[in-house]
Amino acid sequence: RKEVEQDPGPFNVPEGATVAFNCTYSNSASQSFFWYRQDCRKEPKLLMSVYSSGNEDGRFTAQLNRASQYISLLIRDSKLSDSATYLCVVNRGNDMRFGAGTRLTVKP
Amino acid sequence: DADVTQTPRNRITKTGKRIMLECSQTKGHDRMYWYRQDPGLGLQLIYYSFDVKDINKGEISDGYSVSRQAQAKFSLSLESAIPNQTALYFCATSDLAASGQYFGPGTRLTVL
Repeated sequence: RKEVEQDPGPFNVPEGATVAFNCTYSNSASQSFFWYRQDCRKEPKLLMSVYSSGNEDGRFTAQLNRASQYISLLIRDSKLSDSATYLCVVNRGNDMRFGAGTRLTVKP
Repeated sequence: DADVTQTPRNRITKTGKRIMLECSQTKGHDRMYWYRQDPGLGLQLIYYSFDVKDINKGEISDGYSVSRQAQAKFSLSLESAIPNQTALYFCATSDLAASGQYFGPGTRLTVL
């Protein structure tokens, strides 16, 4: 079993839709959590950190549930430019573990 | 200029050849990492370094070696390349254990 699991998708949604991605991790000692965005054949880019209290950045909301070892990302009012692969990332202190990613396509 | 650069960006080589991938950063970060990415598997950590004297193995270090020549430079070597090392390789940096990482543009390596 992978240490960080994500639904690979693909998620195909119309513009303006709300879409949610989930991620689970197995190492209870994990310390910090992130969502990254990766466009095709490009490097991953940090989207946002994830906190237990929940945090929001514009149309993006991230949530962490440490008891369930579960991380989520909600995208509201999807734009065409949101089309990408979203990576769930868990920091174990010395190194990070990446999920395989969830692919999102936003269509006109 | 990009904060994290990688050279070369693309490389095609033959089985058995020695290959070096280079990474440089201008972010002033102490921590540097090498990952490989294969389709459907996500990024896997090869090696990481917290300063010039520090080298640590990651999940998949077999067949690879690294050198941290300076705070700003971290190179990855494949001593004798094999076809299953064909992948996209990323270098990354971070400043703190709890902070996110910043990635270079990647090197696409093909071993024939």
